[in-house]
Amino acid sequence: SQTIHQWPATLVQPVGSPLSLECTVEGTSNPNLYWYRQAAGRGLQLLFYSVGIGQISSEVPQNLSASRPQDRQFILSSKKLLLSDSGFYLCAWGTSEKLFFGSGTQLSVL
Amino acid sequence: EDQVTQSPEALRLQEGESSSLNCSYTVSGLRGLFWYRQDPGKGPEFLFTLYSAGEEKEKERLKATLTKKESFLHITAPKPEDSATYLCAVLKNTDKLIFGTGTRLQVFP
Repeated sequence: SQTIHQWPATLVQPVGSPLSLECTVEGTSNPNLYWYRQAAGRGLQLLFYSVGIGQISSEVPQNLSASRPQDRQFILSSKKLLLSDSGFYLCAWGTSEKLFFGSGTQLSVL
Repeated sequence: EDQVTQSPEALRLQEGESSSLNCSYTVSGLRGLFWYRQDPGKGPEFLFTLYSAGEEKEKERLKATLTKKESFLHITAPKPEDSATYLCAVLKNTDKLIFGTGTRLQVFP
C-alpha cells in the first residue's frame, strides 16, 4: 500500500533563516506530488505540483521554491523565511480528483 | 470569481443529534465536488466524490449530497469520534481544485 511521509511535524524558525521540508512517498511510482499551505481561516492553497522528476509548476508567486530530485521525493525550500510564511504545510500525492495527504508540518516563523 | 463557502464555521452537537454541513459554490465549469475530513494537526483524509446533481454517497454515519449550487454533508446520530474539521473542495474542468475553509465539528457525549 502507498504511504506518504512528511517531516518535521513542527518547526520554529527565525525570520530570514532558510527552510527545507521533505516529503517522500512509498508504494507507487511516478506519482503526482503537491505542496499545499493551510493558513488559519483560509482554504488549502496549492503552492507547487510536480508530474515528474525535475518538473515543477508554481501556482502562486512567493518566497518559496520546490524541487523533485527523485521520483518519490518532493522538497519545499526557502532561502529566507518571512513572517507570512507561517502556516501548516501539507504534502500530497494523487490527482485533483483524489489526494492523499501527509501529516503536515506546522511552521512558525518568529 | 470562483468561490467555495462552507457553513457553519463551527458546529457543536450532542452525541446522537443529527445535523448537516453546507458547502455552497459559485464556479464555472464544475467537474466534481469532494469532501475531506481533517483531524487536528493532521492532513485531510478523503471521504467522498460527487460528480452530478442528485448524486448521493454514504459512509457509515455520513451522507453527502449534491445540487447545482451546493452540497450537504449529513451526519446521522454522530459520535464523539466524528469530531473533526470537514473540508469541501470543488474541481473545475480546468483541473483547478478550490478548497473551502471547513466546518469544525465537535460532538459531545
